[in-house]
Amino acid sequence: DQQVKQNSPSLSVQEGRISILNCDYTNSMFDYFLWYKKYPAEGPTFLISISSIKDKNEDGRFTVFLNKSAKHLSLHIVPSQPGDSAVYFCAASGSEKLVFGKGMKLTVNP
Amino acid sequence: KAGVTQTPRYLIKTRGQQVTLSCSPISGHRSVSWYQQTPGQGLQFLFEYFSETQRNKGNFPGRFSGRQFSNSRSEMNVSTLELGDSALYLCASSWSASSYNEQFFGPGTRLTVL
Repeated sequence: DQQVKQNSPSLSVQEGRISILNCDYTNSMFDYFLWYKKYPAEGPTFLISISSIKDKNEDGRFTVFLNKSAKHLSLHIVPSQPGDSAVYFCAASGSEKLVFGKGMKLTVNP
Repeated sequence: KAGVTQTPRYLIKTRGQQVTLSCSPISGHRSVSWYQQTPGQGLQFLFEYFSETQRNKGNFPGRFSGRQFSNSRSEMNVSTLELGDSALYLCASSWSASSYNEQFFGPGTRLTVL
C-alpha cells in the first residue's frame, strides 16, 4: 500500500507562472517531509524539507506547505523557470526509512 | 568533496544471471541506502546499511541482497535476474543512520535484463 502519493504524474506550466506540486500521505507517524528533484541520467537532489512542527518552509523560489490535518503537502515554485523541468519526488520519514512517492514530471515551457 | 559514485553506470544482463552493483558514499558518510526506480513505481526502498549492518529492509525478495564494508562502500547483489528487475538502481548516502538527514544520491546504475 502506498503511504506517499503523488496523484498527478505530470504538470505543464508557462515560464514565470506558479507551479504547484501536491503530495498526500497516509501514515500519521510521518513527521518530516522532503522534496527531491531529478533530472534524466542523474540521481535525485534534495530541494527543500519541512518538519511537522511547521506548516511552511521557504527557500528562494521554493515554498513547501504542510497541512497535517489533511495529511497533505505541496511544493510551490514561483516563478517557474525552464530549468525547473524535472521529475519531483515527495518523501516522508517517521524516524525509519524514507518513503518516496512515485514522482511527478514538471515541464516549464518558455 | 566528491559525490556519491556508482559503478557501473550501465549494465545489460540476461535472465537467470546475477549482478553486483557498487556504491561509494561521500567521504565521512556512514549510511548507505539503495533504491530501485521504475517508471510505474517511483523510488522503492531496498535496504539501508550503517556501519556494516543492515538497518532497514524494504519489501523485495531474497534475491536482492547487499553488504557494506568497513570503508562504508556498499554493494548490492541481485541473483537469478528477472525481466522485471530492469530498473535504475540508486544509492544514497548520509552521515548518520537517521532518516531525518538529507540523503545524497548517486547517478544510478541502469540495469537492463534481456
